[in-house]
Amino acid sequence: GESVGLHLPTLSVQEGDNSIINCAYSNSASDYFIWYKQESGKGPQFIIDIRSNMDKRQGQRVTVLLNKTVKHLSLQIAATQPGDSAVYFCAEAPIYNQGGKLIFGQGTELSVKP
Amino acid sequence: EPEVTQTPSHQVTQMGQEVILRCVPISNHLYFYWYRQILGQKVEFLVSFYNNEISEKSEIFDDQFSVERPDGSNFTLKIRSTKLEDSAMYFCASNRYSNQPQHFGDGTRLSIL
Repeated sequence: GESVGLHLPTLSVQEGDNSIINCAYSNSASDYFIWYKQESGKGPQFIIDIRSNMDKRQGQRVTVLLNKTVKHLSLQIAATQPGDSAVYFCAEAPIYNQGGKLIFGQGTELSVKP
Repeated sequence: EPEVTQTPSHQVTQMGQEVILRCVPISNHLYFYWYRQILGQKVEFLVSFYNNEISEKSEIFDDQFSVERPDGSNFTLKIRSTKLEDSAMYFCASNRYSNQPQHFGDGTRLSIL
């Protein structure tokens, strides 16, 4: 069946270090991928997205890498700050999906130590 | 920046009662969604809605669930006869086009007693 999962449930980094959060997906029909950040008591907040015709996309302090060969997605956060502490979810949308449904992964909790 | 707003932030309801969760999507958005998140688990898709009809729904979205856009600004989720297992955070989301990022509200925490 289709699934989106994460390799590590928790990640602890030192402030100023770079963080890498990984995600594996199993649906080869997916063509759109999004990373969301969820802080305690809040809804998922859009960080960055990437389409399957790209393998890398950069934002402000964040980079998403897509490896379609091994169905792997990663989020890199440069110079991690305490405000980056949150749960990070990857989500995918299949090509055939006209309704816009997102399939979320389990989430990785990022903890930034000052 | 425009936001998706949800009310109430917390709803406590007796099992078997009906509950309506309310959402105001971003004003120029055309696609609307409901998701739920059971405590400590991943976000799960419930339903998508476009042009005044359901586009897609998940297995979770059974006959006890319904959605409605009663006017030009609100989007509601109704659970007719709530069960204990309906306890979760319910998130509303919207986007202008279905292949764009969905913007989420901060959710309604539904507690069924």
